[in-house]
Amino acid sequence: LAKTTQPISMDSYEGQEVNITCSHNNIATNDYITWYQQFPSQGPRFIIQGYKTKVTNEVASLFIPADRKSSTLSLPRVSLSDTAVYYCLVGVNSGGYQKVTFGTGTKLQVIP
Amino acid sequence: NAGVMQNPRHLVRRRGQEARLRCSPMKGHSHVYWYRQLPEEGLKFMVYLQKENIIDESGMPKERFSAEFPKEGPSILRIQQVVRGDSAAYFCASSPDRSTYEQYFGPGTRLTVT
Repeated sequence: LAKTTQPISMDSYEGQEVNITCSHNNIATNDYITWYQQFPSQGPRFIIQGYKTKVTNEVASLFIPADRKSSTLSLPRVSLSDTAVYYCLVGVNSGGYQKVTFGTGTKLQVIP
Repeated sequence: NAGVMQNPRHLVRRRGQEARLRCSPMKGHSHVYWYRQLPEEGLKFMVYLQKENIIDESGMPKERFSAEFPKEGPSILRIQQVVRGDSAAYFCASSPDRSTYEQYFGPGTRLTVT
C-alpha cells in the first residue's frame, strides 16, 4: 500500500497561489495520483488526477516529477471558499480495481 | 444527473440498537464504496460492492457490520448493536466501472450513538 505524507495544515492569503506537496515514495508503476477536496460536513470532491508530468484543469494544476515519488497540487489565486481539507491519494491496483486510501489530508485556511 | 444520495443525513441511535444507512449511487454507476470518517481524521475504506456482490470488505469490522448492494434499490450499510465508538460520518461513493480512479461521494450520514 503506497503511503502518502502531506502537511497537516497551511495558511494562505486570498489571491495567492497555494502549493501543497505530497510524498509517496512507494508508489507503484500502475498507480495514479489523485487529489480530493473536502469541505466541512460534506463528502470529498474530486479535483484532479495525474500519472506523470503536469496536468491542468479549470480548478488546479498537478505537478509530478519524473521519479513520481512526490506530487504538488497548485491552486491559483485562492479565495476564502477554497478553505477545505485537501487529500492526496495514490491508487492501489488491487484485483483490478481502484482501492484508495485517504490520509489525514492538509487543512488549508485562506485568510482575508 | 442527480449525484450520490445518502439517507438519512443524521441518525441518532441508542447503544444496542441497529443503524441502517442507505446509499443511492449516481445514475449509471454500479460500483459503490463505503468509508468511515471519525472527527478530525481522514476517510477509512470499509467495503467495495458491485451489484449483488461484495468485492472487497477488508476494511469492515469483523462483527456487527454488514453491507449489501442488491440488484434493485440502494446499497445498505448495516450496523447491529451499535456502540459509542460507531459514532462517525459514513460516506458512500460510486463510480461507473472498477477501473476508474474518480469516485463521486455523497453528503454522508452522521451517526450519533447515545
